[in-house]
Amino acid sequence: AQSVTQLDSQVPVFEEAPVELRCNYSSSVSVYLFWYVQYPNQGLQLLLKYLSGSTLVKGINGFEAEFNKSQTSFHLRKPSVHISDTAEYFCAVTEDYGGSQGNLIFGKGTKLSVKP
Amino acid sequence: DAGVIQSPRHEVTEMGQEVTLRCKPISGHNSLFWYRQTMMRGLELLIYFNNNVPIDDSGMPEDRFSAKMPNASFSTLKIQPSEPRDSAVYFCASSLRGRVGEKLFFGSGTQLSVL
Repeated sequence: AQSVTQLDSQVPVFEEAPVELRCNYSSSVSVYLFWYVQYPNQGLQLLLKYLSGSTLVKGINGFEAEFNKSQTSFHLRKPSVHISDTAEYFCAVTEDYGGSQGNLIFGKGTKLSVKP
Repeated sequence: DAGVIQSPRHEVTEMGQEVTLRCKPISGHNSLFWYRQTMMRGLELLIYFNNNVPIDDSGMPEDRFSAKMPNASFSTLKIQPSEPRDSAVYFCASSLRGRVGEKLFFGSGTQLSVL
């Protein structure tokens, strides 16, 4: 069965500093990977996704993530964060059975706190 | 489009009462998902519908939970009777076809507190 682990529950960082949010997954088959962001009192929004092709994926708001099959990781990065990036970030995985979106499994989230 | 609309935003009820959460998906979307978010368990998929038909309800915790989608523009999640451990944020999400990789659009959630 598939699973996803977000290694850090909270990441504090100063404004304009780089940040990396870690995500590892477990699966016996090919996977598709996603990062969603949740701002306070809002629902989740898609940040970026990896389906196939280039392992470096760029998303909205200057975020990017790199798929590493050998390390079963999909870490999220941003070279310089802003106060407005303060939010909770969720990594998600689904297996490639040719199946439906209903199989999307979320990690427990990482709260990014950007301080001035 | 107004996005996925959930109501109510907050619900406080007493143990044993019936609770009904409502969701209006984005017009034209044919897949709808109900998720529950708690500190302990994170974000869990409860059930999802495709073309108004429940496809997978294996995430529904127990028989006290039920979900319906009578038409393409409306879904309900009902808890009867409610218990304090049901306290959580419940999210509804929709997507265009429900295929892998398609973007899920989430509502703002319903914060449920069962006393």
